[in-house]
Amino acid sequence: DIQMTQSPSSLSASVGDRVTITCRASQGIRNFLAWYQQKPGEVPKLLIYAASTLQSGVPSRFSGSGSGTDFTLTVSSLQPEDVATYYCQNYNSVPLTFGGGTRVEIK
Amino acid sequence: QVQLVESGGGVVQPGGSLRLSCVASGFTFRSYTLHWVRQAPGKGLEWVATLWYDGSQTYYADSVKDRFTISRDISEKTLFLQMNNLRADDAAVYYCARDLVAMTVVTHFFDLWGQGTLVTVSS
Repeated sequence: DIQMTQSPSSLSASVGDRVTITCRASQGIRNFLAWYQQKPGEVPKLLIYAASTLQSGVPSRFSGSGSGTDFTLTVSSLQPEDVATYYCQNYNSVPLTFGGGTRVEIK
Repeated sequence: QVQLVESGGGVVQPGGSLRLSCVASGFTFRSYTLHWVRQAPGKGLEWVATLWYDGSQTYYADSVKDRFTISRDISEKTLFLQMNNLRADDAAVYYCARDLVAMTVVTHFFDLWGQGTLVTVSS
């Protein structure tokens, strides 16, 4: 099984800061990676797929990059509404696997 | 309205069974691969099972294999998860989720989620 490791597990940043979350796969997954945002008490929301393709309706301050084993999710200017836990997901092969999550808070 | 609505969760004793349902609306049910994903209280997301859009294949996480069964009723536009021999570590909110891309068996990531149904396993 492919293990997905996210870092950091949590972070605190100021409004307007650039925030980067890293996701590492235990083996190469090409660009078969998705990112989700889950706000407290809400259902996960798809942000990015194919490592860098922004889902329709997602603000352009979110971006993704990477291929193979190393991926990043970047928020170019953190907003209060971005407080959430973010998850990466491998879909290169079954079992589909998620990272452990990164909780983002406002400082 | 495009949506998925789960039901069937509840409290069950260890070793017991439950059947979850997920009713789809607003899209062509038979054209999408569907999944169950769960989230234990305060924990992360865990993929549970997948049913291909054409019904030809199912996949399960090792943690539920031989205990859970994913199936569907196309006429009722309903996805099911039959859960047998439930254990304490099966306690979670169970979400059904849909692939973004119709008629794919390759790109399994989820653009549509239900609101979830809570399963509690306790004696």
